[in-house]
Amino acid sequence: NAGVMQNPRHLVRRRGQEARLRCSPMKGHSHVYWYRQLPEEGLKFMVYLQKENIIDESGMPKERFSAEFPKEGPSILRIQQVVRGDSAAYFCASSPSGHPDEQYFGPGTRLTVT
Amino acid sequence: AQSVTQPDIHITVSEGASLELRCNYSYGATPYLFWYVQSPGQGLQLLLKYFSGDTLVQGIKGFEAEFKRSQSSFNLRKPSVHWSDAAEYFCAVGVRNQGGKLIFGQGTELSVKP
Repeated sequence: NAGVMQNPRHLVRRRGQEARLRCSPMKGHSHVYWYRQLPEEGLKFMVYLQKENIIDESGMPKERFSAEFPKEGPSILRIQQVVRGDSAAYFCASSPSGHPDEQYFGPGTRLTVT
Repeated sequence: AQSVTQPDIHITVSEGASLELRCNYSYGATPYLFWYVQSPGQGLQLLLKYFSGDTLVQGIKGFEAEFKRSQSSFNLRKPSVHWSDAAEYFCAVGVRNQGGKLIFGQGTELSVKP
């Protein structure tokens, strides 16, 4: 069983461009979480999705950020009009149950905004 | 609100010496507690977890942690550190009844001296 896949692993964007980060959960997992790790900080929860539904977006910035997890295909974290402060590592985790003890993390996407 | 504090940002120990990384949490009920390790440029690997029962839990790579409810602590220990243990260590609380999101501490960076 392949682990959680994230791509790209590294992404460079200029200020004002859009960034799209993809997360393919483990087979059989219908729950996806996105976390952001700013430099020198721990991971911060952003959003929790189940197939086609956003369950908890309490950690998402109010503007420019959106997430989706369609019926088919990977979960997408989209950042519009990126700014330097968006430079971070973005991790997704998937779970078969939505239970905290069953989250499996991907390798992360490192976004650099120039 | 739930929170996790790791008081030590950076710790250096000699190879073969014992290790204790501190973690304090704030949570209204018995929490789910986790320790993760992150090597540079990598994702997170689960070391161990606690939900209930025996307050001393064993994990991978020779690590153990002890849950102390009276001190709201979940400290990570290892009797003899290896150079390969150098990494960033994160303590996390799993939030029950809120979709399983994890709340992370700021992390402790471990350096190992030869």
